[in-house]
Amino acid sequence: GDSVTQMEGPVTLSEEAFLTINCTYTATGYPSLFWYVQYPGEGLQLLLKATKADDKGSNKGFEATYRKETTSFHLEKGSVQVSDSAVYFCALTRYNFNKFYFGSGTKLNVKP
Amino acid sequence: AAGVIQSPRHLIKEKRETATLKCYPIPRHDTVYWYQQGPGQDPQFLISFYEKMQSDKGSIPDRFSAQQFSDYHSELNMSSLELGDSALYFCASSQGQGRIETGELFFGEGSRLTVL
Repeated sequence: GDSVTQMEGPVTLSEEAFLTINCTYTATGYPSLFWYVQYPGEGLQLLLKATKADDKGSNKGFEATYRKETTSFHLEKGSVQVSDSAVYFCALTRYNFNKFYFGSGTKLNVKP
Repeated sequence: AAGVIQSPRHLIKEKRETATLKCYPIPRHDTVYWYQQGPGQDPQFLISFYEKMQSDKGSIPDRFSAQQFSDYHSELNMSSLELGDSALYFCASSQGQGRIETGELFFGEGSRLTVL
């Protein structure tokens, strides 16, 4: 079945450090891939997405590239800020499908 | 812009009681999803509705039921509550079954249920 695996947290970084959160997936066909972010006490917000192989999603300095050959969608940011502290979820869905599959979430703590 | 509205935001119930959560999707969104997120866990898909019909079912206990009404709002009814039902319940909406053209779920802020 479809599934998403992402690196366990928490990840603790100093401000301006480089961030990578790994995400790999298992799916039939050609899924769409997403990163959602959850700030404390809030719902999930879409951060970025990619709908086909080699697409790069980007938003707010975050990037992720859809790699079909490695079935990966790793999240990166060149210089994190304290305000980026949140839980990040990798997710997938398939075309005309009715549900999303989420990874287990990775908590990011950014220290000043 | 209008977002997904969930109510109540917080709910405290005793074991074996019943609880009802409500979700009002973004206007013109025809699909509603319910997710359950336990402490420190990822959101688990419970059930979804498209055009007022159940479109998919996940790990929803038999004690739970849900429906989508003619105005597209949805209600999740939970009976015989157990301690393990304590969680954050998210509703999300999309237009067109989260198809690739939109590919996005819009989440509410969640309803936190505490069962004592």
